[in-house]
Amino acid sequence: QKEVEQNSGPLSVPEGAIASLNCTYSDRGSQSFFWYRQYSGKSPELIMSIYSNGDKEDGRFTAQLNKASQYVSLLIRDSQPSDSATYLCAVKGGTSYGKLTFGQGTILTVHP
Amino acid sequence: GAVVSQHPSWVICKSGTSVKIECRSLDFQATTMFWYRQFPKQSLMLMATSNEGSKATYEQGVEKDKFLINHASLTLSTLTVTSAHPEDSSFYICSAKRQVRAEAFFGQGTRLTVV
Repeated sequence: QKEVEQNSGPLSVPEGAIASLNCTYSDRGSQSFFWYRQYSGKSPELIMSIYSNGDKEDGRFTAQLNKASQYVSLLIRDSQPSDSATYLCAVKGGTSYGKLTFGQGTILTVHP
Repeated sequence: GAVVSQHPSWVICKSGTSVKIECRSLDFQATTMFWYRQFPKQSLMLMATSNEGSKATYEQGVEKDKFLINHASLTLSTLTVTSAHPEDSSFYICSAKRQVRAEAFFGQGTRLTVV
């Protein structure tokens, strides 16, 4: 079992729709959770961080965390073509200082 | 936000030569820096973790004598790929974090091509 799992997609949504990206993790002691966006040929860019159960909203992005289910998700409202990218879920484990474990990423395509 | 600068953004070198990649945190002190490698259509693979003033911790399967990491100051870490071969061609990315914060910020990445 992979430590951090994402559906690789591709996930295709129409412009203006809600894109829902999901991630599960295996380490129950994990403390910190991040979503990064990576455009093709570029390095990842941090878009959301979440540390406690519940929802965290930032503009069109909402991160949701459920530690009991070991599940974290990212919702993108009013999706735009410019949101088309690979979204990486990253988890900081309970024991490894600072080290992030990445999922394989979900490719999102927003079509006009 | 925190800014991490990586240089060069791309490099082409001959097989057998060495290449040095620099990673700098421009507006914060990075107690820890991470080096990743990413092959096309694959996720990030952590190569090593470096803490300022101490030896880097390498992930299993990463040759420490081939990938030399130096973290001499709180704002600079370097990765040297020694005796590069075509199979070392990849996208190398650094990230840096502050001691009291969990977020890590990435440099722009370096695309290495060994011919």
